This record gives sequence, structure tokens and C-alpha cells, in this order.
Amino acid sequence: TAGITQAPTSQILAAGRSMTLRCTQDMRHNAMYWYRQDLGLGLRLIHYSNTAGTTGKGEVPDGYSVSRANTDDFPLTLASAVPSQTSVYFCASRGQGDTEAFFGQGTRLTVV
Amino acid sequence: AQSVSQHNHHVILSEAASLELGCNYSYGGTVNLFWYVQYPGQHLQLLLKYFSGDPLVKGIKGFEAEFIKSKFSFNLRKPSVQWSDTAEYFCAVNAATGRRALTFGSGTRLQVQP
Repeated sequence: TAGITQAPTSQILAAGRSMTLRCTQDMRHNAMYWYRQDLGLGLRLIHYSNTAGTTGKGEVPDGYSVSRANTDDFPLTLASAVPSQTSVYFCASRGQGDTEAFFGQGTRLTVV
Repeated sequence: AQSVSQHNHHVILSEAASLELGCNYSYGGTVNLFWYVQYPGQHLQLLLKYFSGDPLVKGIKGFEAEFIKSKFSFNLRKPSVQWSDTAEYFCAVNAATGRRALTFGSGTRLQVQP
């Protein structure tokens, strides 16, 4: 199985432009998460979804939005990118009976 | 809300040296505890986890961690590191019930010199 697939793997984006980072999982996990990873700060939760049709804000949600129309997909949208959103973004998922989360390969985003 | 502190930001060891990475958390309820590893250019992979039972847990690649509830700690250990252990290590915690998103520490970069 593919597990969690993120696309694109990397992107350079002009400030002010919008972009959607895609995340798809084939494990039928209920919960999905978006994190950003920044040097010295670890991973910080942006948004989460405990089940299809519901979403919630994490630690650093400003400037980002998410949707969860179905179980498999959890896209993250930057409506108007700013340089401080330069980061590596990881999508993760967790099954109903699991304690740990499983991570995708990440998307490296540079906003210039 | 929970928080996680990793006190060692960058550790340099020679091969065969012993490793201990500190992790402390704060949370008022029951937690699950994790150590993840990120090899250069790769995604996070689970090393080990604790959710109940024996507080000394063993993970992959010879790593182990001990949960000391009274100290809110979950330190990672390995008796003898290898060059291939060079990576970044993250301690994480989630609540045992309710919203169970992981909260991560800031990470420890381990560099093992041959």
C-alpha cells in the first residue's frame, strides 16, 4: 500500500499566490493532520480532522485552511502565501485503534 | 494543553558511545508517549511508543525509552550508537483520550562520527 501520499514534493511560490498542498491516504484512517516543520521548533500542528466532514484548528492555523470532504483526502490551502510560510509540511494520519500517527514524505515549500 | 521539552538540541557522539536524549512533557491527564526519528531527507518514522504497562519500552534498531511518571520524563537511550543513527529525533505526546493530535518537542539532531 502507498500509505500517505503528498504532492507536490517541493514548490517555489511567489508571495501573494495561493496554493493547495495535497494529501491522500489509503489506510482508511479517521484522523488526519497537517504539521509544519521548522528548524529549532520541531513540528507544529496547523489543522486536524478527526473524521470526514469535521476539521479543527491546531497550534498555528493562521493563513491556512483545510477541508475533509471524504476519508482519504485532506488538502491544505494557503490563500495568499507569505515568506513566513516557507517550511516543510507533513501530512499524517491515525487509525481508530492506533496510538501513533503515520507520516507522509513531506512537501518543501519556499515562498519568495 | 500539553507541551514537550527536549533539552539537547544537537548531540555529537563517536561510534560505540552510549546515547541518552532527554524528553520531558507537561500534561494533566493520561498520555501516550512516542519517539520518532527523521533520517536526512526523509519523513518521520516511529522508533517506539509507550501507552501503558511496562514503563521500559524497546523499539527498533536497539533503542529503548523509560517512562518515569513522577518526573514527567520519557528519555531515549541506546547503549552503542552507529554512524547510521545520524538523524533528528523527536519526542512527542498525545492525550490518551479526546483530541489526540501529537504534540512534538523541538527535536534533537544527533551526529555520529565514524
